[in-house]
Amino acid sequence: EVQLVESGGDLIQPGGSLRLSCAGSGFTVSSTFMSWVRQAPGKGLEWVSLMHTGGGTYYADSVKGRFTISRDNSKNTLYLQMNSLRAEDTAVYYCARDRMGATGFDYWGQGTLVTVSS
Amino acid sequence: SSELTQPPSVSVSPGQTARITCSGDALPNQYAYWYQQKPGQAPVVVIYKDNERPSGIPERFSGSSSGTTVTLTISGVQAEDEADYYCQSADSSATFRVFGGGTKLTVL
Repeated sequence: EVQLVESGGDLIQPGGSLRLSCAGSGFTVSSTFMSWVRQAPGKGLEWVSLMHTGGGTYYADSVKGRFTISRDNSKNTLYLQMNSLRAEDTAVYYCARDRMGATGFDYWGQGTLVTVSS
Repeated sequence: SSELTQPPSVSVSPGQTARITCSGDALPNQYAYWYQQKPGQAPVVVIYKDNERPSGIPERFSGSSSGTTVTLTISGVQAEDEADYYCQSADSSATFRVFGGGTKLTVL
């Protein structure tokens, strides 16, 4: 059974850093595209970042230069390093298996809450 | 980057047909996907590649595409279908993903 479990969300002060983790099971994270998607309180979904199977990375303009997506193949885990955090980064962050051109974001984690506030 | 535009809300009575539209310039060249999200839950894909339905999704959910607009149709709406619905696609380069603003479906 495919599962994604996020962790690492926390209350953090503006300007701080945080690393989110997304542990996969039932499939190999490095063998598929993976994305991070966030949802601010009471707002819609916003795509944040994508990692290709080959290691290529892409970011939404709103986080480019501040966030870094990576993965550890030995741990079957995807990460999102978030630096220079702002109040507007407050959101639930989801990781999702990204099968665009096929079944879309077909598996999602339960989400982890990041709150940026002083 | 590309944008997708959805109506903020749609209301229907039980048993009626709900149609939710999504417009975007890249849609003629990129597949569209639809997600259902209920409060406190992660989204679930209900339509992929414009009009394909994943296993386990009721037959009353269908998708269609025409030019720059895609449509999610829910026939015979049930109370359990009340949720937020998001369309999603990619930009013209198929690199960046984009979501519509979401449509709140209310079952009267």
